[in-house]
Amino acid sequence: DTAVSQTPKYLVTQMGNDKSIKCEQNLGHDTMYWYKQDSKKFLKIMFSYNNKELIINETVPNRFSPKSPDKAHLNLHINSLELGDSAVYFCASTSGGGWETQYFGPGTRLLVL
Amino acid sequence: ILNVEQSPQSLHVQEGDSTNFTCSFPSSNFYALHWYRWETAKSPEALFVMTLNGDEKKKGRISATLNTKEGYSYLYIKGSQPEDSATYLCASTTNTGNQFYFGTGTSLTVIP
Repeated sequence: DTAVSQTPKYLVTQMGNDKSIKCEQNLGHDTMYWYKQDSKKFLKIMFSYNNKELIINETVPNRFSPKSPDKAHLNLHINSLELGDSAVYFCASTSGGGWETQYFGPGTRLLVL
Repeated sequence: ILNVEQSPQSLHVQEGDSTNFTCSFPSSNFYALHWYRWETAKSPEALFVMTLNGDEKKKGRISATLNTKEGYSYLYIKGSQPEDSATYLCASTTNTGNQFYFGTGTSLTVIP
């Protein structure tokens, strides 16, 4: 029973392509996040949705567009991929309050060639 | 942006040693402090959540304390084992939103 799942786990693609990463949580949580793990292993917040509404949108190129079809899903679409987009992307969810535990997906390892 | 800092950046200890590391965060608008354990090639896994000044939490050989007035938390590992090798992350949340502000982590290596 995977709580937060991401697909695909690995993604190798060419520069300039458009790709999507999907995230699903079966915990009944209201809030979902996308993080990018940079080269120093630092987790940088990209977006957060609460009940399908965007609540956090950090300084991220507009080639990145999140989509939340329902509160259990938060997908990340990336247009015109660049070499610098290569990273591990983590999805996470929480039931909403800042005191609630945040659960992470397994990560999607994106490599842009 | 909230400045959450962790020290040291990395630590090597011998098996059986006890160790501790620090997470510093701004005390204004503080809401909760989270500790995570993050093994290489895996995803961060929650250890503790603390909200009140003076909170102490314990799980096996790992424990944590919280001082919200001065803005720091300590994580202690007693009798370190090789399987404790991981990066330990802390994150602070505020009473103004749902964002988790992560520190850069402390990388612990326990040498057998």
